[in-house]
Amino acid sequence: DADVTQTPRNRITKTGKRIMLECSQTKGHDRMYWYRQDPGLGLRLIYYSFDVKDINKGEISDGYSVSRQAQAKFSLSLESAIPNQTALYFCATSDRGTPRDYEQYFGPGTRLTVT
Amino acid sequence: AQSVTQPDIHITVSEGASLELRCNYSYGATPYLFWYVQSPGQGLQLLLKYFSGDTLVQGIKGFEAEFKRSQSSFNLRKPSVHWSDAAEYFCAVAPVGGSQGNLIFGKGTKLSVKP
Repeated sequence: DADVTQTPRNRITKTGKRIMLECSQTKGHDRMYWYRQDPGLGLRLIYYSFDVKDINKGEISDGYSVSRQAQAKFSLSLESAIPNQTALYFCATSDRGTPRDYEQYFGPGTRLTVT
Repeated sequence: AQSVTQPDIHITVSEGASLELRCNYSYGATPYLFWYVQSPGQGLQLLLKYFSGDTLVQGIKGFEAEFKRSQSSFNLRKPSVHWSDAAEYFCAVAPVGGSQGNLIFGKGTKLSVKP
């Protein structure tokens, strides 16, 4: 079984709809991250969480929100989806303690299309 | 500003040929350095990492990378490429003393392998 799972793997939604992407991990890591990937732009950090009570904005948090329901679960929400949020979204985890906290493990990604 | 540059957007090599993918970073101090690979339709997999010590690091799948402080580079190499190496490769940097756990990714280099 995969250590980091994401659901759904693919989603098509309409402009203005609310959508939630979910991430679960069995690695026992404290830290979790959400990234988006756009062609030619690499990965950009949306939000990150160091534990259930510690959530931080990343480089491109506008239009997104997150919820850390448990150590193993970290959800990303788009409150009102817009077409330029069409992208590939990745969840990642890392252990605590420098430098291990920089060694991130990625889920398989969710391909989101907003029409 | 801190940045990571992968100068080559797309590289094509013949199967069995050697490979070098370039990565340069712009930081005041030596950061932690990583290479990830993304196969088509997959998430990112960690190939190798550099934290300190020996500047030549070995990774999975026969890859290695060399950190050169004087050139602010961390180039990825493989002596003989296999068709299964066709993928996109991302260099990532974590500035020491920066926000814990945050990685900054280059924009990626897509590798194609000719038979």
